[in-house]
Amino acid sequence: DGGITQSPKYLFRKEGQNVTLSCEQNLNHDAMYWYRQDPGQGLRLIYYSQIVNDFQKGDIAEGYSVSREKKESFPLTVTSAQKNPTAFYLCASSIEGAKHIQYFGAGTRLSVL
Amino acid sequence: GDSVTQMEGPVTLSEEAFLTINCTYTATGYPSLFWYVQYPGEGLQLLLKATKADDKGSNKGFEATYRKETTSFHLEKGSVQVSDSAVYFCALSSNAGGTSYGKLTFGQGTILTVHP
Repeated sequence: DGGITQSPKYLFRKEGQNVTLSCEQNLNHDAMYWYRQDPGQGLRLIYYSQIVNDFQKGDIAEGYSVSREKKESFPLTVTSAQKNPTAFYLCASSIEGAKHIQYFGAGTRLSVL
Repeated sequence: GDSVTQMEGPVTLSEEAFLTINCTYTATGYPSLFWYVQYPGEGLQLLLKATKADDKGSNKGFEATYRKETTSFHLEKGSVQVSDSAVYFCALSSNAGGTSYGKLTFGQGTILTVHP
């Protein structure tokens, strides 16, 4: 089955630690996105990538980093500079001709110990 | 900038009741409008969309009409089921400023719970 796989489902971060969230898609989509979801708020865009080896900051990129070395993979690193990392993180992808129709993974819930 | 405002939740209904979730937006240009649904423990799925004024999007018994005069895109369903319990997000996509990367602006989400 084609889709987007995010792992792990739950993740805990200690103070001063960087953690990496995985996002893999087998939909052959060019564009990929990372969103942050907080209770009572909509999704906010962290980073996006339209093509391999290229990515752009979204609305709330500070404290996060990404890479796009393969078309299928778009990992997100939550760095120690992100002072409020507790949230639900969603990865999405879309095709070139319909970028606004995005397919989402099941998400990773990150908590701080 | 672009923004989307949804009615406050949560919304609790009995099975077979009529559903309306209000959504209004602010955007430059002529945005496309979407409703996404998030079932418990899952990511978001596109429920329906409308790309121009007076378009009606529909899917799985849900409908929404793009009303430019009132800048609204309210979600409706005539008879809800327990399986419709989820979080519903209204979203827009605007090409203002030449953005072409698929930027979506989401509302805060409305939790719907349907009881038998």
